[in-house]
Amino acid sequence: GAVVSQHPSWVICKSGTSVKIECRSLDFQATTMFWYRQFPKQSLMLMATSNEGSKATYEQGVEKDKFLINHASLTLSTLTVTSAHPEDSSFYICSAARVYTEAFFGQGTRLTVV
Amino acid sequence: AQRVTQPEKLLSVFKGAPVELKCNYSYSGSPELFWYVQYSRQRLQLLLRHISRESIKGFTADLNKGETSFHLKKPFAQEEDSAMYYCALSGGRIGNEKLTFGTGTRLTIIP
Repeated sequence: GAVVSQHPSWVICKSGTSVKIECRSLDFQATTMFWYRQFPKQSLMLMATSNEGSKATYEQGVEKDKFLINHASLTLSTLTVTSAHPEDSSFYICSAARVYTEAFFGQGTRLTVV
Repeated sequence: AQRVTQPEKLLSVFKGAPVELKCNYSYSGSPELFWYVQYSRQRLQLLLRHISRESIKGFTADLNKGETSFHLKKPFAQEEDSAMYYCALSGGRIGNEKLTFGTGTRLTIIP
């Protein structure tokens, strides 16, 4: 199957700083990328959907100014957690898909805000 | 609104016994249903999708529109089946629609 890579796999940052997480589709061009958040022992919650070259569509309750998503190319989407706080600590997962195919998932990024 | 329900958080089954992981959904249109699996320390990966009607690793799942269910079954459990299983729903057949996940079932196969 296709490969989706997230970077970094884990990150620790200080409260008040911003953190950028990258999601890359390594061997295919993804028309759509999705960002999920997963709390311990809970399911994946969709945060936003991003299409290359257009603004991301955020799910209800997700602050778009807090979680900035950029999808500059067909192989790269970034999620920036701005002014991070401890409650933003979580596991963030991206997936990438192209039309008429399944979505492939990244390995996830564990964010810890101290 | 679309919703996926997996009633069992934990399921333990003896090796060689049949396995059934339950999944019910709520959706007003014609959904596409999936089962994803996450083995220990690995990323989420697609196990099967209802539209392809195939058996993967001995697992099958049939979409029952009357009961709005998409239960995952395997006649004889193997130790390597121990993993976290997520049922998911997509709101169309385009293929890159957003997925709504259930809360997952952790399957443990007892040797």
